[in-house]
Amino acid sequence: DQQVKQNSPSLSVQEGRISILNCDYTNSMFDYFLWYKKYPAEGPTFLISISSIKDKNEDGRFTVFLNKSAKHLSLHIVPSQPGDSAVYFCAASAIGAGGTSYGKLTFGQGTILTVHP
Amino acid sequence: SAVISQKPSRDICQRGTSLTIQCQVDSQVTMMFWYRQQPGQSLTLIATANQGSEATYESGFVIDKFPISRPNLTFSTLTVSNMSPEDSSIYLCSKRDRGTYGYTFGSGTRLTVV
Repeated sequence: DQQVKQNSPSLSVQEGRISILNCDYTNSMFDYFLWYKKYPAEGPTFLISISSIKDKNEDGRFTVFLNKSAKHLSLHIVPSQPGDSAVYFCAASAIGAGGTSYGKLTFGQGTILTVHP
Repeated sequence: SAVISQKPSRDICQRGTSLTIQCQVDSQVTMMFWYRQQPGQSLTLIATANQGSEATYESGFVIDKFPISRPNLTFSTLTVSNMSPEDSSIYLCSKRDRGTYGYTFGSGTRLTVV
């Protein structure tokens, strides 16, 4: 049962254009969402997050949008740069659930982003 | 930001043997987490390692296969026991960042079982 899904295995964009990475989830208990970037031979690095009480969070070139009714979130990167080429993971957590769910991240399968110069 | 040192970074092991992965954190934390990323797959939580108590394992993972130690608040080990080629994965440790709901990951251990 894949509770967090990234249906696009890969995305290719031109430098300077917008990259939009999508993520869907099924568990209504998820109330905190994170995006991670991963380069080969490195661990995932935190990019940006959003709480379920918000619908948008922005940090520089990165903006995450959350649509709770659709159980969908997206990461926008504007403008895209070649250094953004990496695997992007969407992750979700049920902070409010507490107990054994606390601290557990559920990840999507990842999307390989390639930004061409 | 928090720093996590994980070693070894990679290893090639014979089936039937065991490998212990070490994770050192630069600040004291109550909970540490161990994840596995199989080839082409997402990261899957193996277990949560609490200092002073036994680790809590996720469905599909058992202590006999993945024993975990947590001797103090800055260190943890994960052992992959009696390895088979199906255990070939990247193993990562993680800790929650203080004051946020974000997490920092180690650089991972790429394990190949032959």
